[in-house]
Parts: sequence; structure tokens; C-alpha cells
Amino acid sequence: ETGVTQTPRHLVMGMTNKKSLKCEQHLGHNAMYWYKQSAKKPLELMFVYNFKEQTENNSVPSRFSPECPNSSHLFLHLHTLQPEDSALYLCASSQDGAGGPYNEQFFGPGTRLTVL
Amino acid sequence: GQNIDQPTEMTATEGAIVQINCTYQTSGFNGLFWYQQHAGEAPTFLSYNVLDGLEEKGRFSSFLSRSKGYSYLLLKELQMKDSASYLCAASDSNYQLIWGAGTKLIIKP
Repeated sequence: ETGVTQTPRHLVMGMTNKKSLKCEQHLGHNAMYWYKQSAKKPLELMFVYNFKEQTENNSVPSRFSPECPNSSHLFLHLHTLQPEDSALYLCASSQDGAGGPYNEQFFGPGTRLTVL
Repeated sequence: GQNIDQPTEMTATEGAIVQINCTYQTSGFNGLFWYQQHAGEAPTFLSYNVLDGLEEKGRFSSFLSRSKGYSYLLLKELQMKDSASYLCAASDSNYQLIWGAGTKLIIKP
């Protein structure tokens, strides 16, 4: 495996279900991100982990719970979601949490989530 | 507040040149990124500018004016495979990326 992988690619869940999204990066990066992408809207940053520590939580509802057990893996645990949470959830990684050249973010293919 | 503006959609002809504009307002500034996203796929990195001026990379070039809060992506010799959304993102004082909604570029033969 190379780059950033995400599973599952598609997920349909009811509002009372509990599910988890998984992201894995094989790039040796130290920062990982969760984004929400809705149609015709800007990417919304949800969480940032830098060297396994959460450095950003952009006022995300508690029904989304991230977990970063190590620098290569990132999870997003979902429970009691709402239909408006239906979107593409993208994981990304970068060398570290700083910007600049050679520190661009590499994205996974995303999980298309539908909440019924 | 922080904001990125870019056109929603543009149409161009195969073989032609197109310029996609982006204006930004951020708290602090640590550079401007352009990404390409084909339908149903992940965004992929195209370019990064932090100093004023033009950066050229093959058929794609990116320009930045920090004083004007303005950037553009220039695509030359357009090919059908360039049909995609182009995302502009500015890095703020905390190195967070503030994203635009993307410009959908349609290439016609």
C-alpha cells in the first residue's frame, strides 16, 4: 500500500448506529487531518493530529470522535449522526502541522457517508 | 473573518489557456496552495506560493500577490483530462488551511 488509504469507501448508516472510519498513511508523516466535504462547499477541517496529539478541533459536534493511536493511523468514530452529516469524509497527512513548501497535504480517497 | 473566493464554474476549449482566480482574507498568511480534484477522487497537490510572483510547473503556473490577497492558477494547452475542480487554500497564522469551495473547470473539444 502506498500513500493514504481510507476504509470503508462507502458507508450507509442509520441515525442510531455506531460506526468507525479508518485512515492509514504510508508516507512517514507526522500530521493527520479529518475533513468533511459537502457538495459545493469548502472543505471543512474537523480535527488535526500532530505527532499523535490533537492540536485542532474545529467546534465539531461530539457525535464525531477522533482517535489517533500512532502517527500512521487515524480513526473517526461516529454515533447518533444526523442526515445533514451525510458527506465525503477525507483524511489527509503532511510531514508535520506546519505549512510551507514540501509540507503539502496528501489526501486519501475519502469515505462517502450517507446517514438515513 | 477568514474567507476564500473563487469562481464556481468555468468553461474552456481544448488546447486553449484558462486562468482561475482566487482572492483570500486570512488572519496571518503562510502561503497559498492549489489542488486539483477529479470527480469522485481525492484532491492532489498542484502548487504552493508564499512569495510574490509566478511559479511555473509545466503546463500549470501559479501567481501570488500578497499585497492584493490574490492568486491565480494558469493552465495552458488544455487537455480533456484537465476537467476537474481546482481548490484554492490559504495557510493562516496557525498553518491551518482555509479552503475555497473550488472552481469546476469544464473542457470542451
